[in-house]
Amino acid sequence: EPEVTQTPSHQVTQMGQEVILRCVPISNHLYFYWYRQILGQKVEFLVSFYNNEISEKSEIFDDQFSVERPDGSNFTLKIRSTKLEDSAMYFCASSLTGGETEAFFGQGTRLTVV
Amino acid sequence: AQSVTQLDSQVPVFEEAPVELRCNYSSSVSVYLFWYVQYPNQGLQLLLKYLSGSTLVKGINGFEAEFNKSQTSFHLRKPSVHISDTAEYFCAVKTSYDKVIFGPGTSLSVIP
Repeated sequence: EPEVTQTPSHQVTQMGQEVILRCVPISNHLYFYWYRQILGQKVEFLVSFYNNEISEKSEIFDDQFSVERPDGSNFTLKIRSTKLEDSAMYFCASSLTGGETEAFFGQGTRLTVV
Repeated sequence: AQSVTQLDSQVPVFEEAPVELRCNYSSSVSVYLFWYVQYPNQGLQLLLKYLSGSTLVKGINGFEAEFNKSQTSFHLRKPSVHISDTAEYFCAVKTSYDKVIFGPGTSLSVIP
């Protein structure tokens, strides 16, 4: 069964460093998403991406964040200068369309900023 | 804008007892509804979904949910829980051409 894969599963980085989280969505999907879950809290929407551009972003997704689909298969989330409060589980998701279809989630990358 | 409420943050239940996890949503347009489960230190797994058709949907691991449009609810039920059902359960809503919005989650603890 096709699945969304995320790498790495766990990333530790020093405050102020740049980090790139990687995702490989399901191959024929067109919509891509990043979500964040701070430990013990709800899953929060960060950004959606369609047709090589951001279609929607939340207040959390400030100038420190960026997304890219560099090669038609990977979908990356970059945090330019990490802060302690960026420590969270980051989930990538993809869906075939934006409408009556579910989003498939990856297993997540746990980011720890020290 | 859509929102999801899960009134019960924690639900303890004895093994083999029935359980219902409540979910209510708010939306001005038609929605698609989902339940996801998150086992400790793992990702999100889809339990079941309502897209259209029958309002009673069955999912994996013996769970089912009923969509009630008049009450804007999508409660999750299981007639007999197992220890392995201990996890965090998230109700989620999605509209056409929109993102998934998650509820705050309900922590289900199954007591032996």
